[in-house]
Amino acid sequence: DTGVSQNPRHKITKRGQNVTFRCDPISEHNRLYWYRQTLGQGPEFLTYFQNEAQLEKSRLLSDRFSAERPKGSFSTLEIQRTEQGDSAMYLCASSFGAGGHLSTDTQYFGPGTRLTVL
Amino acid sequence: QKEVEQDPGPLSVPEGAIVSLNCTYSNSAFQYFMWYRQYSRKGPELLMYTYSSGNKEDGRFTAQVDKSSKYISLFIRDSQPSDSATYLCAMSAKTGSGAGSYQLTFGKGTKLSVIP
Repeated sequence: DTGVSQNPRHKITKRGQNVTFRCDPISEHNRLYWYRQTLGQGPEFLTYFQNEAQLEKSRLLSDRFSAERPKGSFSTLEIQRTEQGDSAMYLCASSFGAGGHLSTDTQYFGPGTRLTVL
Repeated sequence: QKEVEQDPGPLSVPEGAIVSLNCTYSNSAFQYFMWYRQYSRKGPELLMYTYSSGNKEDGRFTAQVDKSSKYISLFIRDSQPSDSATYLCAMSAKTGSGAGSYQLTFGKGTKLSVIP
């Protein structure tokens, strides 16, 4: 197990194009998160999956964004009609939530996909 | 006011110094507190996590949480040039079992440089 992986690592696109990113979580992790990080800021939560169910979406996730996690394994994040304001690092994290009072749900992050919209 | 405040620095210290990094927060529901280290153009790497108030030590790193003051700290002893990175505090309100989000709320990060 080599940790959370994300592809591509870098993506340059023109405004108005669609892009799709992929995240492969740590094996057997049932929770998967997407965050967005812009320069000089901490990561901001976008959305969260438990197994294949998308349980929460941030108001940052506009209608142009869609995320899926078929079969509860890898996840994809698609951005339609990209805008220059979408330029950021998109981070994926995964965790194993065993439940219980002392469940820490420690999140491990991937290397991120850096998106540049021209 | 943001939920989590963190001084972005930059902070520059000589090798061997003790480094103190801090965050304040406003949401009293936060119960899990984490510190991540992020090297340039890389993903965040978990350093420490603490549940509720108290101290936790791991090698050269000590994390402290004071929930009464809504204040958390990370201390790095005998700092090394390899510690040069951005340090992010993160917090979560979810406490345990059941469905729902354990989303992390991050500070802006403090950029640390350790000079040889």
